Amino acid sequence: GDSVTQMEGPVTLSEEAFLTINCTYTATGYPSLFWYVQYPGEGLQLLLKATKADDKGSNKGFEATYRKETTSFHLEKGSVQVSDSAVYFCALKVANSGGSNYKLTFGKGTLLTVNP
Amino acid sequence: EAQVTQNPRYLITVTGKKLTVTCSQNMNHEYMSWYRQDPGLGLRQIYYSMNVEVTDKGDVPEGYKVSRKEKRNFPLILESPSPNQTSLYFCASSLLAGEVYGYTFGSGTRLTVV
Repeated sequence: GDSVTQMEGPVTLSEEAFLTINCTYTATGYPSLFWYVQYPGEGLQLLLKATKADDKGSNKGFEATYRKETTSFHLEKGSVQVSDSAVYFCALKVANSGGSNYKLTFGKGTLLTVNP
Repeated sequence: EAQVTQNPRYLITVTGKKLTVTCSQNMNHEYMSWYRQDPGLGLRQIYYSMNVEVTDKGDVPEGYKVSRKEKRNFPLILESPSPNQTSLYFCASSLLAGEVYGYTFGSGTRLTVV
């Protein structure tokens, strides 16, 4: 079945450090890929997405490139801030075999803590 | 403001007492879904709805019911809650069901069944 594997946390960085959170996937068909962020006590918010191979999604200084050859969608940010502290989820979306559902399949999440 | 609204945010109940968690979206989205989030297990889909009167089971539907009588509302019903349904629940919606559409999530309902 479809699955997403992302690096286990927690990840602790100092402000202005470079961030990478690895994400790889297994899917039948041609999925779209997403990164969601969950701040404490809140729901998940869409951070960025890419819908086909070699697409780069970007938002708020975060970037991720859809690499079909390595089935990866790693999240990067050049200089993190304290306000980036949250849980980050990689996810894929693809139709099921009958075409009746397009659920998001999530990784387990990576907790990022940024210290001043 | 475009949003998905869930109620209540927090709920403590006793085993066997029927409850409903409401979900409403104001974006005219066709697709809606319920997920539960548990430590170590991540987010798992409970039920989904492609449109009004069209619902189907996700990965963990046991013990839950849903209905979609109108486009904006998608309540989650627990007819006889049990302690293993203690979890954080999220309602989500998307404009359409296709791969390219991301979900908008509600703020979550933290349910405790004692």
